Amino acid sequence: GAGVSQSPSNKVTEKGKDVELRCDPISGHTALYWYRQSLGQGLEFLIYFQGNSAPDKSGLPSDRFSAERTGGSVSTLTIQRTQQEDSAVYLCASSQFPPGLAGENAYEQYFGPGTRLTVT
Amino acid sequence: RKEVEQDPGPFNVPEGATVAFNCTYSNSASQSFFWYRQDCRKEPKLLMSVYSSGNEDGRFTAQLNRASQYISLLIRDSKLSDSATYLCVVKSPGGSYIPTFGRGTSLIVHP
Repeated sequence: GAGVSQSPSNKVTEKGKDVELRCDPISGHTALYWYRQSLGQGLEFLIYFQGNSAPDKSGLPSDRFSAERTGGSVSTLTIQRTQQEDSAVYLCASSQFPPGLAGENAYEQYFGPGTRLTVT
Repeated sequence: RKEVEQDPGPFNVPEGATVAFNCTYSNSASQSFFWYRQDCRKEPKLLMSVYSSGNEDGRFTAQLNRASQYISLLIRDSKLSDSATYLCVVKSPGGSYIPTFGRGTSLIVHP
């Protein structure tokens, strides 16, 4: 079946502009995660959505970052007043099971191809 | 101590070699463990889950050592195409459902 998709694949923006990044998770996956990865660095957790619960925003680096998930499916990550340090690859992942269900593989995550954001 | 630690490498091995990576985790109550593979400028892809009893998938074997709090990945008969960064992922119990990713171990397989 279809995997996680993200758009755009690349985005170049000027410092100070707002950007929106989109993620379409795998159909039926209830959990959705946003990460970012700077060149040569590890994955940095940003935000987590699970079903209709309030999202876990503990990884958002500043109040310029926000995200929403409509209808339990598509998610949009918005970065306001972009800065050069926001340049990174923004990755979205989804997983099938909500927390609490049995199964050792309950948290297998499937990643989208990412959006490469460059702030000039 | 970091929650999840990996030797960044790079591990530089010839084709056909056997190579093993370890990943240590700090929370003894951690429940779920995974290995992901990330190719250069690509997204991470799930390689295999690590089950309590250990598991094997072709040339790849994953094991969990709860007593010493580490997981391992063994690759036999290395191929050039195995060159990538291998990420260790640990899910701890409790209210946070956010897996923790290690920084990754770089593997380079040369002819």
